[in-house]
Formats: sequence, structure tokens, C-alpha cells
Amino acid sequence: EIVLTQSPATLSLSPGERATLSCRASQTISNYLAWYQQKPGQAPRLLIFDASTRATGIPARFSGSGSRTDFTLTISSLEPEDFAIYYCQHRSNWPLTFGGGTKVEIK
Amino acid sequence: QVQLVQSGAEVKKPGASVKVSCKTSGYTFTRYYLHWVRQAPGQGLDWMGIINPSGGSTNYAQSFQGRVTMTRDTSTSTVYMELSSLKSEDTGVYYCARGNSLVLTPMLAPEYFHHWGQGTLVTVSS
Repeated sequence: EIVLTQSPATLSLSPGERATLSCRASQTISNYLAWYQQKPGQAPRLLIFDASTRATGIPARFSGSGSRTDFTLTISSLEPEDFAIYYCQHRSNWPLTFGGGTKVEIK
Repeated sequence: QVQLVQSGAEVKKPGASVKVSCKTSGYTFTRYYLHWVRQAPGQGLDWMGIINPSGGSTNYAQSFQGRVTMTRDTSTSTVYMELSSLKSEDTGVYYCARGNSLVLTPMLAPEYFHHWGQGTLVTVSS
């Protein structure tokens, strides 16, 4: 099973600041990684897939990068609605797994 | 537009079973795989398994193997997830989710989750 480790667990930032979230895979997964955003009481929303492709309707301030084992989600300038929990997920093989999440909170 | 509408909240006693439904619309039901994902209170996301709505084949995560059954009804474009021998640790929100990989063969495809249901809260308590 591929283990995805996200860091940091919590990121405290102010609106307008840049957020950089990390996801590390326990073995190489090529570019088979997605990022999701989840707000309280809501289902997750797909932001990025295949490491760097934005999903439909996702603003350009969200970008993804990385390959093999190290991946990054960057939010270039935080908007008030971006404070949420972010998860990574791989599709390299079975079972599909998620990272433990990074909470982006208002400083 | 793609819609996944799940059944309502459930309260069950330990040892019982629960069956959650996910009614789909806005696309051809048999052309896309469907998954179930669990989220325990205050915790992360756990993939439970996948079903091919066309042929009915499934693949379950090891941690749920033997207790979970995923089925589908093509006449109503609905998938079901039944979890048996419930424990308090099974309390959580259960989501159905759909990817964008077309069902082209009987093989099941690992994928991302582009569309999600609203979630169903299952509470297991004596």
C-alpha cells in the first residue's frame, strides 16, 4: 500500500499570502496524484489531478507540481474561501489512498 | 450535470448492517466507475472500494474486505454499499464518488474522484 504523507499538518497564514503544501509518497507514483479541498460539512472537491492539471472550474491561483514521490500544491494568494483542509490522493495502483490532510487556517 | 444523491442518515447498533444508496443522474450510468469513501469524525478520507456499474465487478480495500458489499441497479442508476458487523469505529460519513475513466473493459481502473455525493452519516451506537 502506498502511504502518502502530507506536511505540515497545519498551516497558519493570512489572506493574500502564498500557501505551499507538500505530499510525499512512500514509493514512486509517476504523476498519478490529485489534490482535494474540503470545507466543514461538505464533500471534498477535486482541485488538481495528474499532479498539475486543474480540474474544471478551479481558479488559476491553485497550482500543482511534482512527480515520482514529491508533490506540491501551491495557492498563490489565499482568498478567504481557501481556508480549508487539503488532501492528496494517488491512483498509481490498488488500494487508492489519501494523505492525512493539511489544514490551512487563518492566522 | 452529473449528480450523485445519497440516502439519509442512519443510526445502527453494533453488530447490525447498514445499506447506503447513491442515485446517479446526468450521465450514462454504466459508462463510469463508482467508489465509496469513508470519513470518520474529525479524520481523513479512506477509500473503501470500487464497482463497475456495467458488469458489477468490484474491488474492495483490504480493511473492509469481508464486511462490505457494493452492488448496483442499472434500472434505477443506483449503487449501494452495505457494511455488516458494524462497530462503533464505523461511525462516520460515507461518500459515493465518480471518476472520469470510461468503462471500456471489465477491468477496474484506479482513478481520481471528480464528482461526489453529499455524504451519508452512519452512527453506530448501542
